[in-house]
Amino acid sequence: GAGVSQTPSNKVTEKGKYVELRCDPISGHTALYWYRQSLGQGPEFLIYFQGTGAADDSGLPNDRFFAVRPEGSVSTLKIQRTERGDSAVYLCASSLTFIGTGDRDEQFFGPGTRLTVL
Amino acid sequence: LAKTTQPISMDSYEGQEVNITCSHNNIATNDYITWYQQFPSQGPRFIIQGYKTKVTNEVASLFIPADRKSSTLSLPRVSLSDTAVYYCLVSGGFKTIFGAGTRLFVKA
Repeated sequence: GAGVSQTPSNKVTEKGKYVELRCDPISGHTALYWYRQSLGQGPEFLIYFQGTGAADDSGLPNDRFFAVRPEGSVSTLKIQRTERGDSAVYLCASSLTFIGTGDRDEQFFGPGTRLTVL
Repeated sequence: LAKTTQPISMDSYEGQEVNITCSHNNIATNDYITWYQQFPSQGPRFIIQGYKTKVTNEVASLFIPADRKSSTLSLPRVSLSDTAVYYCLVSGGFKTIFGAGTRLFVKA
């Protein structure tokens, strides 16, 4: 079956511009995560959605970053006034559900969007 | 959230068993331990998850001692295609906190 897809695969933009990154999770997965990964580092948590609502957005670095999931499936990560430090691979993951305290359903990751801010 | 410590890198040869140990001294009662694998230019891929004792699936085993302050991922008979970064995660809430991971290099 289809996995998690992300578009675009690469995005080059200029400092100060606005960008949108899209994530299509696996059909039926209610939980969706966004991460940011810099070269040589592990993925850094940004935000988690359970359905349409952001259950935890504490990883968003500042108010230039915003994410939505209006219908509980596709999600868009929006970055305003991009800075060179925003350059990274942005990963999206989905899981069937989040189960209670402690137990964690397997996360399926997309291939990522490589964002380069010039 | 419990912090994890893993070796930065490991080398092995094809056909050998590889054990990667992760320390998580501050693990909480409701935390689970999960391992992911990541190849270059790909997202991480789930390998195995456990709470205590031993868990085994078709690709790996996970050993967790009684105090749960560490865990060991065991990869039997590695091949060149197992060259990747392996992440140990400990979490009991919404967040999934990745460390820097262990870079495993399998040689012929």
